Amino acid sequence: DAGVTQSPTHLIKTRGQQVTLRCSPKSGHDTVSWYQQALGQGPQFIFQYYEEEERQRGNFPDRFSGHQFPNYSSELNVNALLLGDSALYLCASSRGLRDDGYTFGSGTRLTVV
Amino acid sequence: AQSVSQHNHHVILSEAASLELGCNYSYGGTVNLFWYVQYPGQHLQLLLKYFSGDPLVKGIKGFEAEFIKSKFSFNLRKPSVQWSDTAEYFCAVSYSGSARQLTFGSGTQLTVLP
Repeated sequence: DAGVTQSPTHLIKTRGQQVTLRCSPKSGHDTVSWYQQALGQGPQFIFQYYEEEERQRGNFPDRFSGHQFPNYSSELNVNALLLGDSALYLCASSRGLRDDGYTFGSGTRLTVV
Repeated sequence: AQSVSQHNHHVILSEAASLELGCNYSYGGTVNLFWYVQYPGQHLQLLLKYFSGDPLVKGIKGFEAEFIKSKFSFNLRKPSVQWSDTAEYFCAVSYSGSARQLTFGSGTQLTVLP
């Protein structure tokens, strides 16, 4: 059990569509970060949410947006999907803005056709 | 831009062989260093981490890593691997001022033959 819950586990979308991925952090964690892991690559940081605000953003276009709810859960939204958005999307949670190791979820596998 | 390099894309070892996976990072400032492991079909799990102090860090399952600041390296080692160590290993770095954003290497697939 990862402690971090992501849904759905798999998703197939058509190019141009929009998608929403969801994440519930580990109990006791209030910070959520999102990563994109393309096939054969390491995870790449998308953004991080703390206290319902985006605190840091990686090198991703504005088509990628997110939200954090008062219960600390989070959503990742991707608009105008491209084939290149096909990847495993990982959610990681932590406590505050501390840097003592994140807990990762099992991810959502997004396939854009 | 900061980067993390893992030199070995795929490593194949026999059981009981010793393991060393290389990791180098590009940033000269204060860093925190991590090794994560991803077993087939499972989520990323933290193996070990270095923040400060003793540069030789011990983690779970008999793994250890050594931080060599002068070489910008954080290599992962295990004296004797087991078949169950077959997994993908990722080195990651967070940099001072980055709000704990992790920068990952591209990973090393370790296959241990029984």
